[in-house]
Formats: sequence, structure tokens, C-alpha cells
Amino acid sequence: AQSVTQPDIHITVSEGASLELRCNYSYGATPYLFWYVQSPGQGLQLLLKYFSGDTLVQGIKGFEAEFKRSQSSFNLRKPSVHWSDAAEYFCAVGPFAGGTSYGKLTFGQGTILTVHP
Amino acid sequence: SQTIHQWPATLVQPVGSPLSLECTVEGTSNPNLYWYRQAAGRGLQLLFYSVGIGQISSEVPQNLSASRPQDRQFILSSKKLLLSDSGFYLCAWSRRGGGELFFGEGSRLTVL
Repeated sequence: AQSVTQPDIHITVSEGASLELRCNYSYGATPYLFWYVQSPGQGLQLLLKYFSGDTLVQGIKGFEAEFKRSQSSFNLRKPSVHWSDAAEYFCAVGPFAGGTSYGKLTFGQGTILTVHP
Repeated sequence: SQTIHQWPATLVQPVGSPLSLECTVEGTSNPNLYWYRQAAGRGLQLLFYSVGIGQISSEVPQNLSASRPQDRQFILSSKKLLLSDSGFYLCAWSRRGGGELFFGEGSRLTVL
């Protein structure tokens, strides 16, 4: 069965500092990997996705993530955090190919990011 | 462009009452549709998904049901709510050939 682990429940950083959110996954086939962001009381917004090609992917809002197959990781990074980045971040994994399996994503528990001024 | 609407945004219901949450997608055809539930500190749990009108798959046995009466409409229902049904419910859609989900704004359900 597929699973996603986000080891850090809560991370606090200062504005302007760099950020790395960790994500480890377990998946038996070629994974389709995602990072989503959620502001309180809102839906989830896609930050970036990876399914093939360059293992460093760029997303919106200045975020990037690196896929490391050997470590089963897909960590999210940002070089300089802004106060508006405070939110909850979810890593997700799903099947890359296969008819009705599309969109059946498995999500991690989420990491809450607090940004100090 | 595609949009997804979900309502109501907030709902407070007594135990044993019925439930109906609605979701519609605009700007696309034949989407896959999904209902997820989000409980505090527990990530997102897939409840139902649908690949077409009248085609519903349940992921977790529970007190809820889903229906898809039209191509771009997805409804989450319950005949009698339980306290454990409280949570944040998210509707989402995906293209048939693509993997990412596009989420609605969510519906906060509190069962008292």
C-alpha cells in the first residue's frame, strides 16, 4: 500500500530564512508526487508536481522540490520564506498511470509552517 | 478556465439529522470527482470517487454516501449524522488523463 510520511508536524522559521519540508513516500510503482498548500479554512492549492524528467521541479510562489528515488523522498524547499507562506503543507503520492486510478492520491499528515517576523 | 464550487461552506447539524453537501465543476467535461475528509492532524482521507455519471466508488465504509446525478455535479449525503462525521469536507476534480487534483474551498461540518 502506498503511504506518505511528513516527519515534521510543525515548523517555525523566521521571515527571510530558508525552508525545507520533508516528505518520504512508499510506493510500489512509478510515483506521481505533489505538494499542496492549505491556508486555514480553505481548500488545497497545488504548489508543484513531479512524475518524470528533471528531478528538481519548480513550482509557484518560489517553491521547488527535489525527487530522490534512492531515498524515497520529495522534499519541498524555498530559499527565503515570506510571512504569507505561513500555512499547512501536504505532500501526496499517486499512481502515474492507470485509468480510474488517476487522482486517488494518498496524502501525508501535513506540516504546519509558522513564520516569525 | 475551470472552477469548482462547493457548498455550504459551514454547516452545524444535530446528531441523527440528514446531510447534503454539493459540489459542481465548471469549464471541463468528464472529470473524475472526489470527496475527501480532513480531520485535525490526520491529513486527508479519500471517501468517494467517481469516473462518470452514476459511477461511485467508496474507499471507506461509513455513514456517508455519494451520488453523481450529472457529469459535473457530485453530492455527499448522509441519512443520519454521527458525531464522528464532523470534519472538513473537500471536493476535488481531476482530468481523466492527468494526475493532479483541483480542490474546492471545503465545507466545515460540525455535528452536535
